[in-house]
Amino acid sequence: QKEVEQDPGPLSVPEGAIVSLNCTYSNSAFQYFMWYRQYSRKGPELLMYTYSSGNKEDGRFTAQVDKSSKYISLFIRDSQPSDSATYLCAKTDSQGGSEKLVFGKGTKLTVNP
Amino acid sequence: KAGVTQTPRYLIKTRGQQVTLSCSPISGHRSVSWYQQTPGQGLQFLFEYFSETQRNKGNFPGRFSGRQFSNSRSEMNVSTLELGDSALYLCASSLGGGAGDTQYFGPGTRLTVL
Repeated sequence: QKEVEQDPGPLSVPEGAIVSLNCTYSNSAFQYFMWYRQYSRKGPELLMYTYSSGNKEDGRFTAQVDKSSKYISLFIRDSQPSDSATYLCAKTDSQGGSEKLVFGKGTKLTVNP
Repeated sequence: KAGVTQTPRYLIKTRGQQVTLSCSPISGHRSVSWYQQTPGQGLQFLFEYFSETQRNKGNFPGRFSGRQFSNSRSEMNVSTLELGDSALYLCASSLGGGAGDTQYFGPGTRLTVL
């Protein structure tokens, strides 16, 4: 089982829809969780970052972590065509003072005008 | 502040050749990590450097190597290229690479092996 599992999609929604993106993880050590957005032919850019269970909101984006069920979600409200991208969930894995990111495979989202 | 830069952006090589990719981190960042991104495996961690020392390494063969210079710039090298090495190679920089440090990614180098 991969450490981070993510629905690959693709996901296609109309403009204005609420989008729900989900991941599960398998390691229970203390860690941080994040969502990155990657546009075509670009590097990933950090969207949301959290370490505790619960919700974190930033504009139209809400990240949710449920450590009891090892589930992380990203909600996008009032989705826009500019939100069309691949969304990657990730968690940290620390070893000897160094921290690497373990990613899900990404969900490709298309928001249709 | 300038972001992470990677050169070259695109590269075409043939099997058996070697390649060197370069990464310049954000000014003040001392940790540089490298990742390989393929459609099949997604983003996978290659290695991380901090103060010119490799601190962490992923599960890749010894053909993949890297180094970091005193100005924090980093290079990765792949020797004896195989078709399966075709991928987007991403570098990410962070302040210290420790717990909670945000990693900022560059645009990547797209390597095609023929």
